[in-house]
Amino acid sequence: DVVMTQSPLSLPVTLGQPASISCRSSQSLIHSDGNTYLNWFQQRPGQSPRRLVYQVSNRGSGVPDRFSGSGSGTDFTLKISRVEAEDVGVYYCMQGTHWPRTFGGGTKVEIE
Amino acid sequence: EVQLLESGGGLVQPGGSLRLSCSASGFTFSNYAMSWVRQAPGKGLEWVSSIGSSGKNTYYADSVKGRFTISRDHSKNTVYLQMNSLRAEDTALYYCARTMHCDSWGQGTLVTVSS
Repeated sequence: DVVMTQSPLSLPVTLGQPASISCRSSQSLIHSDGNTYLNWFQQRPGQSPRRLVYQVSNRGSGVPDRFSGSGSGTDFTLKISRVEAEDVGVYYCMQGTHWPRTFGGGTKVEIE
Repeated sequence: EVQLLESGGGLVQPGGSLRLSCSASGFTFSNYAMSWVRQAPGKGLEWVSSIGSSGKNTYYADSVKGRFTISRDHSKNTVYLQMNSLRAEDTALYYCARTMHCDSWGQGTLVTVSS
């Protein structure tokens, strides 16, 4: 199985400052169709997860442009350009290239 | 608007069975693959199973293979997860999600396996 490793585990941030979360996969996520199926999800406290980014860098519908995804192969990053209070929660990466699908362990974003 | 409504969770004894349902609306159900993802209390997300749009192709996590069965009924716009031989470690909030890349999620239904 593909192991997804996120860092850091916890990320204290100051409002208005940038934040960055890393996700590394144990195998390349480049699919045979040429696409890279790396997704990012946000789970606010008490809520269901919500997909923020798909295929590495494409924002989902209604996702603010302060969220951006980047990376390739086995190394990926989610960036928040200026953290807002509503961004508090746990962020997960998930690979959709290989079976079984696998999630990272999560990164908890909290306000300092 | 995409809506996914899970139901069927509850308290069950170890070794017992449950069938979860996910009723979908707001999109053409028959065109989309569907998935189940679970979250144990205080833990992270774990993919459980996916089914292709036609229902022909199914995929399972090793932890549930042979015990869980995913299926779908296009006449009811519903995807199911039949869970047999339940174990304490299956205790979780079970989410239904659209596509094999989970682009939309339901609110979840809680399954508790305990004697």
